[in-house]
Amino acid sequence: AQTVTQSQPEMSVQEAETVTLSCTYDTSENNYYLFWYKQPPSRQMILVIRQEAYKQQNATENRFSVNFQKAAKSFSLKISDSQLGDTAMYFCAFMKRGGSQGNLIFGKGTKLSVKP
Amino acid sequence: SAVISQKPSRDICQRGTSLTIQCQVDSQVTMMFWYRQQPGQSLTLIATANQGSEATYESGFVIDKFPISRPNLTFSTLTVSNMSPEDSSIYLCSVVTSGRRETQYFGPGTRLLVL
Repeated sequence: AQTVTQSQPEMSVQEAETVTLSCTYDTSENNYYLFWYKQPPSRQMILVIRQEAYKQQNATENRFSVNFQKAAKSFSLKISDSQLGDTAMYFCAFMKRGGSQGNLIFGKGTKLSVKP
Repeated sequence: SAVISQKPSRDICQRGTSLTIQCQVDSQVTMMFWYRQQPGQSLTLIATANQGSEATYESGFVIDKFPISRPNLTFSTLTVSNMSPEDSSIYLCSVVTSGRRETQYFGPGTRLLVL
């Protein structure tokens, strides 16, 4: 069974600074995806960034980037130039590629507060 | 991507009653899921909604309590039956888009409070 661990329940960062959220996972699968989702107070789950396990290149989406270390089973999220709107819960998630088990396995989340 | 809508967005229900939540997707998708998010918690998978067959439930969730329908590839319903205060949660549906960029997208959620 897969597990996802987020060891930082809460973090804070000053506006315009950079913050890194940690995520580790455990799996025996070789083909999978990793995601970071953002959940603001509205409770909508918003996809932030996606990484395919077979790709060595780290994914980037504007101010968001990941550090994907497959051997170490680590998948951290870096947010650059933090903005007040980045304040939210952030969930790391694992999904097997293809097949019939497409559901996500979530970590417990990290609550990020961006301070002015 | 996929655009997903859910109805209702929120509801307050009495103990012992049932509520049906609808999930509509703007394109045909094979895989659709229902999750529960209890207050202050992460998301937990309730079941996989299978088109044309019975849903596949995760451990701890049963069909009598959470019956699911999936009449076609764009629509599903989740019913929360015989509700108790412990069922107060956010219920979210999600879909997996197929192809080279498999990704899972979520509906806006239904916030349920049971009194």
